[in-house]
Amino acid sequence: NAGVTQTPKFQVLKTGQSMTLQCAQDMNHNSMYWYRQDPGMGLRLIYYSASEGTTDKGEVPNGYNVSRLNKREFSLRLESAAPSQTSVYFCASSTQANQPQHFGDGTRLSIL
Amino acid sequence: GENVEQHPSTLSVQEGDSAVIKCTYSDSASNYFPWYKQELGKGPQLIIDIRSNVGEKKDQRIAVTLNKTAKHFSLHITETQPEDSAVYFCAASFSSNDYKLSFGAGTTVTVRA
Repeated sequence: NAGVTQTPKFQVLKTGQSMTLQCAQDMNHNSMYWYRQDPGMGLRLIYYSASEGTTDKGEVPNGYNVSRLNKREFSLRLESAAPSQTSVYFCASSTQANQPQHFGDGTRLSIL
Repeated sequence: GENVEQHPSTLSVQEGDSAVIKCTYSDSASNYFPWYKQELGKGPQLIIDIRSNVGEKKDQRIAVTLNKTAKHFSLHITETQPEDSAVYFCAASFSSNDYKLSFGAGTTVTVRA
């Protein structure tokens, strides 16, 4: 019963470095999401994938790219990390739109 | 797009008392309203959700009410227990895109023993 698994759990980067955050779900869900969580701002959607083979921008996509590798996996890439991208990143999945989203435990990313 | 405001930002209650968190939304066509509980170091966990065709929903000590006319919805926790201490988030769907949720800023609930 792993649910949504995110790796790594913690990461420190220097400005300008690149990084890929990994996410996998074992619930056979069609839709997957990437959010960032900053103090006092709730969760903001970065990108989502409605189904395998599709990806779309959320509220705050600038500076990020995503890949829906297969039905289980959805990765988030920072090509050139900036201090403003210091945050906690959460991956989630759901069966379809307007259905409960199940979250992983997050990746805590610091960019110096 | 959708904008969700959540109040209060912090809430301290005595064990056994009730806790109420309120959210307002801007998109009158939003139709899905989930509530999440987040414990320290963990991801958000869905605790209850409600759809626009329902005015109230209960699950044991937790209830959610929705007032579509006023565009607000509330979470009610009765008989609070120490394990209810956490951060709670409300969210509302975008009518223009069913995959998008807009989250409130969160309420930190502390239950005093």
